[in-house]
Amino acid sequence: EIVMTQSPATLSLSPGERATLSCRASHTISRHLHWYQQKSGQAPRLLIYDVSNRATGIPSRFSGSGSGTDFTLTISSLEPEDFAVYFCQQRTGSPTFGQGTKLEIK
Amino acid sequence: EGQLVESGGGLIQPGGSLRLSCAASGFRVSDNYMNWVRQAPERGLEWVADIYDNGNTYHSESVKGRFTISRDNSKNTLFLQMSNLRVEDTAVYFCAREITWHYDIWGQGTAVIVSS
Repeated sequence: EIVMTQSPATLSLSPGERATLSCRASHTISRHLHWYQQKSGQAPRLLIYDVSNRATGIPSRFSGSGSGTDFTLTISSLEPEDFAVYFCQQRTGSPTFGQGTKLEIK
Repeated sequence: EGQLVESGGGLIQPGGSLRLSCAASGFRVSDNYMNWVRQAPERGLEWVADIYDNGNTYHSESVKGRFTISRDNSKNTLFLQMSNLRVEDTAVYFCAREITWHYDIWGQGTAVIVSS
């Protein structure tokens, strides 16, 4: 099983700041690396698929990058609605998720 | 766009059984890869099982032999039959459609609480 490790566990920032979230795989994975946003009491929402492709309706301030074992989700300028939990997910073999990064208001 | 609606969760004693349902609209479950993903309280997401369009099924090691994923094409509904439930199976269970290896549609989730 491929283990996904996200860092930091919690990120405290202010609206307008840039957020950088990391996701590391225990083994080299394919480009099937995806990012989801989850707000309290809601289902996850797809943000980015295949490393860098924004899902339908996702604002351009969200971007993804990376390859091999290291991947990054960047939010260029935080809006109030962006404060949530973010998960990465890989699909090389059985799907696994990272434990999440909580993005909170500073 | 499609929608998924789960049902069937509840409070169940350890060792008991429960069947979750996931009704789809706007697309056919039989044409897609469909998954169950769970989330324990204050925990991350864990893949549970999936069923491919060709009918092949796969289950995580933690539920293999106890849970079974299936679908009813005539009802356009996905199921998760859970038996021999354990306390550690307590979670919100989501069904999700998988498109080219990512989940593009999620249900709202149904809570399963295993407790005596």
